[in-house]
Amino acid sequence: NAGVMQNPRHLVRRRGQEARLRCSPMKGHSHVYWYRQLPEEGLKFMVYLQKENIIDESGMPKERFSAEFPKEGPSILRIQQVVRGDSAAYFCASSDYSNQPQHFGDGTRLSIL
Amino acid sequence: AQSVTQPDIHITVSEGASLELRCNYSYGATPYLFWYVQSPGQGLQLLLKYFSGDTLVQGIKGFEAEFKRSQSSFNLRKPSVHWSDAAEYFCAVGDMTTDSWGKFQFGAGTQVVVTP
Repeated sequence: NAGVMQNPRHLVRRRGQEARLRCSPMKGHSHVYWYRQLPEEGLKFMVYLQKENIIDESGMPKERFSAEFPKEGPSILRIQQVVRGDSAAYFCASSDYSNQPQHFGDGTRLSIL
Repeated sequence: AQSVTQPDIHITVSEGASLELRCNYSYGATPYLFWYVQSPGQGLQLLLKYFSGDTLVQGIKGFEAEFKRSQSSFNLRKPSVHWSDAAEYFCAVGDMTTDSWGKFQFGAGTQVVVTP
């Protein structure tokens, strides 16, 4: 009965590289949410996806960031041409319906050199 | 737009003492309210939730929270803390009026330190 699985746990990139963060939701969950946590801050909503659809991306930066949740496989949060300010912990959560509590993964800590 | 305020950034409490963490929200209707706990290097674990009904909700690990509409508050309490309760606690509100239900608003968190 695995929970939400995120990988990698830690990711180091140099400025200008691409970062790909993966999230496998809990079994049976079709709703996925991505959040970003900056040091000493709470979580900030980024994007909400269902299978093959982006429901709400109002928290995503307009450039360089994208997310997908394909029919098969994990959800991917992609950051192109990373900058120092992208350093943060990125959390994925999933739920079985949109009005149910979200279950969180352990996060991916992204560090930009 | 909804917002969540956790007035206390940091709280130190002795083991065995009671704990209360404050959470105030701003929202036009009855919100869905949650408390999560985060241990260092870990994700968030749901402690309890309030959707409707009884305003005093029980959660895991001996925690409870009370929804007070008149004060726009949803404070978290535990009668006697254990050293393992040292962690960061987040209050969150969910918007039940839109289709984008996943757009939780989180407070900035309260760091709890437990002393012997």
